[in-house]
Amino acid sequence: QQQVKQSPQSLIVQKGGISIINCAYENTAFDYFPWYQQFPGKGPALLIAIRPDVSEKKEGRFTISFNKSAKQFSLHIMDSQPGDSATYFCAASSRYGGSQGNLIFGKGTKLSVKP
Amino acid sequence: DGGITQSPKYLFRKEGQNVTLSCEQNLNHDAMYWYRQDPGQGLRLIYYSQIVNDFQKGDIAEGYSVSREKKESFPLTVTSAQKNPTAFYLCASRPSQGTQETQYFGPGTRLLVL
Repeated sequence: QQQVKQSPQSLIVQKGGISIINCAYENTAFDYFPWYQQFPGKGPALLIAIRPDVSEKKEGRFTISFNKSAKQFSLHIMDSQPGDSATYFCAASSRYGGSQGNLIFGKGTKLSVKP
Repeated sequence: DGGITQSPKYLFRKEGQNVTLSCEQNLNHDAMYWYRQDPGQGLRLIYYSQIVNDFQKGDIAEGYSVSREKKESFPLTVTSAQKNPTAFYLCASRPSQGTQETQYFGPGTRLLVL
């Protein structure tokens, strides 16, 4: 119940296309859902995050869509660029319980944007 | 210049040797975390600390130890009991206990076994 399942494992998109990465969770206590971007040999960096009181959040070319009833959330990258090529991780956490604030990560999606 | 620093960037361990990875933050964050990253495995939590002088085991604590004597420092020791230590180790911190602020990551240390 603590897992966050992420798909696909890898994704190849043409420049200018839309990249879509999906995540699903079981624990209904999760109430914070960030996405991280990681370049090879670097630490992950926060890209965008959402709380369950909204269904969508947009920051530039990056959008999170959140479906509370389905317990799913997704990252959309519009007009994908070669510089977006990286590994993307979704995560979830809860304010409640002994491990409050601890993030549970998906296994990551390696995105390659072809010029 | 605030942030999280990890050192060294690369670390080599010999058989039977304990090695210590450094993590320092000047963000005045209360909580600190250690993760292990293996290809295709995502980030797995080793240990975390919500406050000075207190820390908790994560999902894969066996073969590792930590200390939290100062707010800004959270070193990780990889002991000889960890039979497969080759991985990328990431340290993270978060502003304060009980809030929903995200975790901020350091640049990582890659540990290799000789």
